[in-house]
Amino acid sequence: GQNIDQPTEMTATEGAIVQINCTYQTSGFNGLFWYQQHAGEAPTFLSYNVLDGLEEKGRFSSFLSRSKGYSYLLLKELQMKDSASYLCAVRDSGAGSYQLTFGKGTKLSVIP
Amino acid sequence: DTAVSQTPKYLVTQMGNDKSIKCEQNLGHDTMYWYKQDSKKFLKIMFSYNNKELIINETVPNRFSPKSPDKAHLNLHINSLELGDSAVYFCASSQSLARRSEQFFGPGTRLTVL
Repeated sequence: GQNIDQPTEMTATEGAIVQINCTYQTSGFNGLFWYQQHAGEAPTFLSYNVLDGLEEKGRFSSFLSRSKGYSYLLLKELQMKDSASYLCAVRDSGAGSYQLTFGKGTKLSVIP
Repeated sequence: DTAVSQTPKYLVTQMGNDKSIKCEQNLGHDTMYWYKQDSKKFLKIMFSYNNKELIINETVPNRFSPKSPDKAHLNLHINSLELGDSAVYFCASSQSLARRSEQFFGPGTRLTVL
């Protein structure tokens, strides 16, 4: 099975930078995804990491360290619309299933 | 055009009833999924279909059965509904199982069992 840990809630100020951490344990790591989910809406894809290092995409960046089982999502120049839940998801290639397992999500509140 | 669509958006029903949720994707993807998101917002995989074959079946009750008439559709049938089935059900699709394929989610179906 997999164990994915991320903080339950975070609060940050508009214009600031926030880092959301995710740790995981898996036997057949095959990629890590970050999704954003606004209240009452569907999750939407933000980023994908399969190799170690930083992936940058506009105001959002995601980092992966496979040896440490660790990832973070970095959000810069926070805007009010960034208030949402951020879901870390790990893909496992075990038994050929390539199953995506989600963490419980981090609810980010951006305050003025 | 909506990439992944689900119907209905809301479903309120009595315990013991049988209901279906439909899902369609117009992205030409090979793989489709059903997820359940409970009241604590925990999103959990239920089923995956790749080229019309079931490839994952998590430990869900056999009251839940996915049906895929073709690659663009994956419907979810639920028999003998129970209170604990109340949740939001999301359909999703991806180009393939592996590689960089991100999943595209439908808008969700909020199921309430009374």
